[in-house]
Amino acid sequence: NAGVTQTPKFRVLKTGQSMTLLCAQDMNHEYMYWYRQDPGMGLRLIHYSVGEGTTAKGEVPDGYNVSRLKKQNFLLGLESAAPSQTSVYFCASSYKTGLMNTEAFFGQGTRLTVV
Amino acid sequence: TQLLEQSPQFLSIQEGENLTVYCNSSSVFSSLQWYRQEPGEGPVLLVTVVTGGEVKKLKRLTFQFGDARKDSSLHITAAQPGDTGLYLCALGSYNTDKLIFGTGTRLQVFP
Repeated sequence: NAGVTQTPKFRVLKTGQSMTLLCAQDMNHEYMYWYRQDPGMGLRLIHYSVGEGTTAKGEVPDGYNVSRLKKQNFLLGLESAAPSQTSVYFCASSYKTGLMNTEAFFGQGTRLTVV
Repeated sequence: TQLLEQSPQFLSIQEGENLTVYCNSSSVFSSLQWYRQEPGEGPVLLVTVVTGGEVKKLKRLTFQFGDARKDSSLHITAAQPGDTGLYLCALGSYNTDKLIFGTGTRLQVFP
């Protein structure tokens, strides 16, 4: 059981380049999230999705776009990378029962450096 | 702006000491989760609390949810080097599907 898988694990981009980070989950979870984690900080929510075909903005959405064409996949895109987007990116998935969030399962992270 | 503030930000202690970390919000939340993250890994869930005043124990870890559902604490008894990591609280809200994380407490336990 793979859980949540992120690809790639590492990437170096030049300023202005674009790229897509892929997150795949095999737990049939409805909810998926993209976070970024900077040194000395917790996780900040970029975008999230509550089901196939839906996306919504989180706390820090600027400069990123997402798509959820299939339930198991959640893609994070950077159209024109900037040094400020250097970070570790985490994807997570969960399901929700009523008003309570259930356990969020995380991928191993993608370390992105923009030079 | 972080909705969840954790304190302290950093904590370095010797093995065997006790410690408490805190998670505070200006908003009422429906549930709160505590996660631990080790270097190079994603966070892993420790516990979920949903009832105001609730206390849960997980071996040497005691979690408490405030009566007003706006704060929580994590107490570790007789800390061990294996407790080292980043402790994160996360809130689920009545009005949103977002899962928002706190600023984190980085704990280092020395042998």
